[in-house]
Amino acid sequence: EPEVTQTPSHQVTQMGQEVILRCVPISNHLYFYWYRQILGQKVEFLVSFYNNEISEKSEIFDDQFSVERPDGSNFTLKIRSTKLEDSAMYFCASTRASVGTDTQYFGPGTRLTVL
Amino acid sequence: GNSVTQMEGPVTLSEEAFLTINCTYTATGYPSLFWYVQYPGEGLQLLLKATKADDKGSNKGFEATYRKETTSFHLEKGSVQVSDSAVYFCALTRSTGNQFYFGTGTSLTVIP
Repeated sequence: EPEVTQTPSHQVTQMGQEVILRCVPISNHLYFYWYRQILGQKVEFLVSFYNNEISEKSEIFDDQFSVERPDGSNFTLKIRSTKLEDSAMYFCASTRASVGTDTQYFGPGTRLTVL
Repeated sequence: GNSVTQMEGPVTLSEEAFLTINCTYTATGYPSLFWYVQYPGEGLQLLLKATKADDKGSNKGFEATYRKETTSFHLEKGSVQVSDSAVYFCALTRSTGNQFYFGTGTSLTVIP
């Protein structure tokens, strides 16, 4: 069964450094998402992406964040200058369609630790 | 606004016990409701979903009924197994969008 993959599984970085989290969505999916979960808190939506542009973003997704689909398979989340509060589990997801009933397929997550 | 509140964990049950994990929601419009499960080291996997009021989602012995009158979508299973040990997330998505709103997750441990 096709699945969403994410790399790395765990990333440790120093405050102020840039990080890039990578995702490979399911190959025939068109809509891509990033979510994060700070330990003990809710899974929060960050951004959705379609047709090479952001279609929706939350207030968390400020100028420090960016997303890109650099080729036909990868979908990346960049954090420009990490802060301690960016430490969280980051999940990538994808769907075939944009309708609200469509199932989102999630990757296993990248645990980001900012020191 | 849109939000999901689910039962705090962790929950520990003996094998073959009955499971209920409560989930209530607040939403504008007519949301779809989901339960996702995360096994250790894996991603969030869809467990079941319901797209309109009174629908019942079911999978692997788990069930949840979309109750508009109580704005709830409680997860139930009649007899849990050790292999059901995981974190369970309740979520909703709006009919007009694709952003998911998740609860905090409930950790379930089933002991033999």
